[in-house]
Amino acid sequence: DTEVTQTPKHLVMGMTNKKSLKCEQHMGHRAMYWYKQKAKKPPELMFVYSYEKLSINESVPSRFSPECPNSSLLNLHLHALQPEDSALYLCASSPSGQGRQETQYFGPGTRLLVL
Amino acid sequence: EDQVTQSPEALRLQEGESSSLNCSYTVSGLRGLFWYRQDPGKGPEFLFTLYSAGEEKEKERLKATLTKKESFLHITAPKPEDSATYLCAVQAVSGGSNYKLTFGKGTLLTVNP
Repeated sequence: DTEVTQTPKHLVMGMTNKKSLKCEQHMGHRAMYWYKQKAKKPPELMFVYSYEKLSINESVPSRFSPECPNSSLLNLHLHALQPEDSALYLCASSPSGQGRQETQYFGPGTRLLVL
Repeated sequence: EDQVTQSPEALRLQEGESSSLNCSYTVSGLRGLFWYRQDPGKGPEFLFTLYSAGEEKEKERLKATLTKKESFLHITAPKPEDSATYLCAVQAVSGGSNYKLTFGKGTLLTVNP
């Protein structure tokens, strides 16, 4: 099973709202990722967690706050977003991020619209 | 700097008309090359991982090959359901992060019945 799940599928929020995106995997992977994807563009890496610790923050604005409660779960907390933050947010996981077999498996994404 | 270039940007085929997509890459050292399929509004679906020049992998109508400078995704007798954007990504062996994928811009494939 190579399934990564994400909730919600769609989210509409105002610029003053606080919301969270959730991601879950049960493949025993120890690396988890958040990506942002705009229309007709490839995914852009935002954050990487390895063994529940933040390993990479790609200079993402502080209005995006990641959290990794345990090895299976990854959250992205959203606050005071801007309309330009509207995009497809993708979660991915890979075995460890450090080995040879490091295929990243993506979830279905959350379509976010900021009004 | 790692670079990935995919061509063509868009490709229209008739059902049954075989063709190939190209992914050219420049990396300091290749850890892996990945092919994904992405349908509109959905997450990328993993297709293949290739690690070394000469490696080939197949899945149904798709076959991926790898050389030291490029990878090809061959589509044999495509069907309309093969219509999607195909993304190529590379992971480099570098002194920095082992996690980063460098993506190409993708090839939008349309297969007409």
